[in-house]
Amino acid sequence: ELKVEQNPLFLSMQEGKNYTIYCNYSTTSDRLYWYRQDPGKSLESLFVLLSNGAVKQEGRLMASLDTKARLSTLHITAAVHDLSATYFCAVVRDSNYQLIWGAGTKLIIKP
Amino acid sequence: EAEVAQSPRYKITEKSQAVAFWCDPISGHATLYWYRQILGQGPELLVQFQDESVVDDSQLPKDRFSAERLKGVDSTLKIQPAELGDSAMYLCASSLVHRGQYEQYFGPGTRLTVT
Repeated sequence: ELKVEQNPLFLSMQEGKNYTIYCNYSTTSDRLYWYRQDPGKSLESLFVLLSNGAVKQEGRLMASLDTKARLSTLHITAAVHDLSATYFCAVVRDSNYQLIWGAGTKLIIKP
Repeated sequence: EAEVAQSPRYKITEKSQAVAFWCDPISGHATLYWYRQILGQGPELLVQFQDESVVDDSQLPKDRFSAERLKGVDSTLKIQPAELGDSAMYLCASSLVHRGQYEQYFGPGTRLTVT
């Protein structure tokens, strides 16, 4: 059974600091997605990672995928308050195209 | 840019009443998903459509929930009767499923409050 685990589930950090969110999954998959959700809002796609070694960057966020380790990371560089949100990773179950979701990481960035 | 449309955005109803949510996916997206998201949790898949057919509704509480996508385009999710525990965000997503492309695009959601 495909399971996805994120850690930490909650992260409070100061502006200007760097940190990493981890996403582990239990069975083989080479497609992983990162989404952002602001309070009371819907889910916004951030990154699609399609192959081993894939790295994508957008502003202060960088995501990477290691399919051999079944691990993706979302790295935040020099955090700013606007990045406060909940971040979800999700992995495709190839048999039915469903996304299997992590529990989410609630990120609070304090000025 | 094409978007998934949902309505209403907010709905307040009393328990035992019926409610319905509507979703219009991105044009050309054959796969449509309804999710329920309780505050502080990740999305929970309720039903998945491929065109007009239900692919998976194993997590749909069928005694009170129903979903349809009659012409394979827009979709309706209904709850009857609503219960207090149904208070949640209901999200619709669509995707263009073909080899290597499974990204789901989400609508703005419907926030349901059952009183």
